[in-house]
Amino acid sequence: EAGVAQSPRYKIIEKRQSVAFWCNPISGHATLYWYQQILGQGPKLLIQFQNNGVVDDSQLPKDRFSAERLKGVDSTLKIQPAKLEDSAVYLCASSLVEGASYNEQFFGPGTRLTVL
Amino acid sequence: AQTVTQSQPEMSVQEAETVTLSCTYDTSESDYYLFWYKQPPSRQMILVIRQEAYKQQNATENRFSVNFQKAAKSFSLKISDSQLGDAAMYFCAYKEYFGNEKLTFGTGTRLTIIP
Repeated sequence: EAGVAQSPRYKIIEKRQSVAFWCNPISGHATLYWYQQILGQGPKLLIQFQNNGVVDDSQLPKDRFSAERLKGVDSTLKIQPAKLEDSAVYLCASSLVEGASYNEQFFGPGTRLTVL
Repeated sequence: AQTVTQSQPEMSVQEAETVTLSCTYDTSESDYYLFWYKQPPSRQMILVIRQEAYKQQNATENRFSVNFQKAAKSFSLKISDSQLGDAAMYFCAYKEYFGNEKLTFGTGTRLTIIP
């Protein structure tokens, strides 16, 4: 079974530029998550999708971050414009079952963003 | 809001020895899940072990076991017979039992295995 795919693996941009990250979850997984992992910290949830609807985006800086999950499969996370403090690893995860008490989250390899 | 604290930024252990990583958490819930995740240098996060709060028995997965102290809100990970492949960042994480699926992570412990 293929895992969660993310691209690109690395990205370096200047501040105020735009950037987009792509995630392809495990086939059939209804729930998709984007986490931000700043160096020296644990991952922090930015947004959670259930199929193509947003479940939780309370920690997403909506003035500069946006995310979509078209057709309930792939997802794109965008930052526009980027700030220095956005330098982090962006992790995508997916999980299978809706409504069950436990759904294991499977993580992708992440995209390391450096903002100069 | 739930919080997860890992007070050991770095730990090291001799190969084949045993090491314990500490984690404390804060929640007002009685039912929840606790996890230990491993993040090797390649960065892909892998689930190591899971504990349901309603279970008194400590979870075990091969060389990995936990010491779950619900009253103390403590959740430590013991790695026995440490191997070079165990070198990684280890994150403790919390999830509500019902409702929100999000994981709340601690800041991690970097484990080094000394050959």
